[in-house]
Amino acid sequence: AQTVTQSQPEMSVQEAETVTLSCTYDTSESDYYLFWYKQPPSRQMILVIRQEAYKQQNATENRFSVNFQKAAKSFSLKISDSQLGDAAMYFCAYSRHNDMRFGAGTRLTVKP
Amino acid sequence: DVKVTQSSRYLVKRTGEKVFLECVQDMDHENMFWYRQDPGLGLRLIYFSYDVKMKEKGDIPEGYSVSREKKERFSLILESASTNQTSMYLCASSKPGQGTAQETQYFGPGTRLLVL
Repeated sequence: AQTVTQSQPEMSVQEAETVTLSCTYDTSESDYYLFWYKQPPSRQMILVIRQEAYKQQNATENRFSVNFQKAAKSFSLKISDSQLGDAAMYFCAYSRHNDMRFGAGTRLTVKP
Repeated sequence: DVKVTQSSRYLVKRTGEKVFLECVQDMDHENMFWYRQDPGLGLRLIYFSYDVKMKEKGDIPEGYSVSREKKERFSLILESASTNQTSMYLCASSKPGQGTAQETQYFGPGTRLLVL
């Protein structure tokens, strides 16, 4: 079964600085999708960014970007110009044929 | 926007009670999912459904059952609640073959269940 590993249980960043959250996954497949989801405290889980494995270009969404290294099976999330509202649990996820696997999550704290 | 709602945000039940958690989505999604979220374990799939009256077991189905009588509604049932089922339960939905949203799951706000 595919596994997703987030090696950083907790991270902190100063407001306006940049932070990178790490994620690795294990799969023998070549066609799949990768996601970063954000879960603010006591609030709904929302999609941050999505990457198709067949696309070499890294996905970006405003201040959020990924570094997708397919051969290394690595999918890190970079948050630029961090804001207080970025404080949340971040989950990395792998999905293929609607079978989505999640990492254990990284709790991000943003310091003012 | 996709909207997924869950019947309760917080629920307190006694051991042995039958518990119903309901999830409704308003975007005509075929796929619906129930996850359990525990600290340090991420989200684990309990059951999913790809159509009305269809269901498939996920990784941790023991102690749970599901019902999908209508496309928009997916219910999770704890037949006899136990303390080890105290957890956060998340519902999600997705639409197969949806182009740029393919494989993307949309989540409800979650139900935090405490079994005493």
